[in-house]
Amino acid sequence: NAGVTQTPKFRVLKTGQSMTLLCAQDMNHEYMYWYRQDPGMGLRLIHYSVGEGTTAKGEVPDGYNVSRLKKQNFLLGLESAAPSQTSVYFCASRMDGSVYGYTFGSGTRLTVV
Amino acid sequence: RKEVEQDPGPFNVPEGATVAFNCTYSNSASQSFFWYRQDCRKEPKLLMSVYSSGNEDGRFTAQLNRASQYISLLIRDSKLSDSATYLCVVTTDSWGKLQFGAGTQVVVTP
Repeated sequence: NAGVTQTPKFRVLKTGQSMTLLCAQDMNHEYMYWYRQDPGMGLRLIHYSVGEGTTAKGEVPDGYNVSRLKKQNFLLGLESAAPSQTSVYFCASRMDGSVYGYTFGSGTRLTVV
Repeated sequence: RKEVEQDPGPFNVPEGATVAFNCTYSNSASQSFFWYRQDCRKEPKLLMSVYSSGNEDGRFTAQLNRASQYISLLIRDSKLSDSATYLCVVTTDSWGKLQFGAGTQVVVTP
């Protein structure tokens, strides 16, 4: 019962390094989302996808890129990491037609030094 | 102004007592409303949906007031396991993007 799997779970980056966060779901969900959570703030939407091959910007997209080449995977890339990107990143997916059926991954804790 | 605002708390509640808290949302076009629970920065988990008519799930009661644009959550007979951060969440469009409040921390004490 994998659901939504995020890798890695933890990572420390140096400023200017790049990395990719992977979100994988095995529920055949159409919609996938990347959120970040910072202390004292709610989760904020970075990018989302409404189906394979589609992506769209959310509330805080700057400094991130995404790709959804396969339906089950949603990748979040940081091209040149900055300390302001230190955060906990959550991926979520849901099936089409159901705003109630969100499934979240367990999160990736990223620290940029 | 934040889309969804919550009192951060903490609400310190004796075991067995009742606690209630609200959140307000700014977008009158908001479509769906939820309470999520989050433990120690783990992933959020859906606690319950919120309907205008009010709804209960065991010890939890949620209410939506569209006219005043607020959502409430009441927890009766609080358990130690209810200690968590409760996130108020709304959706405002057909893409199902979730707008989160920053959360209300509840601490249930023996």
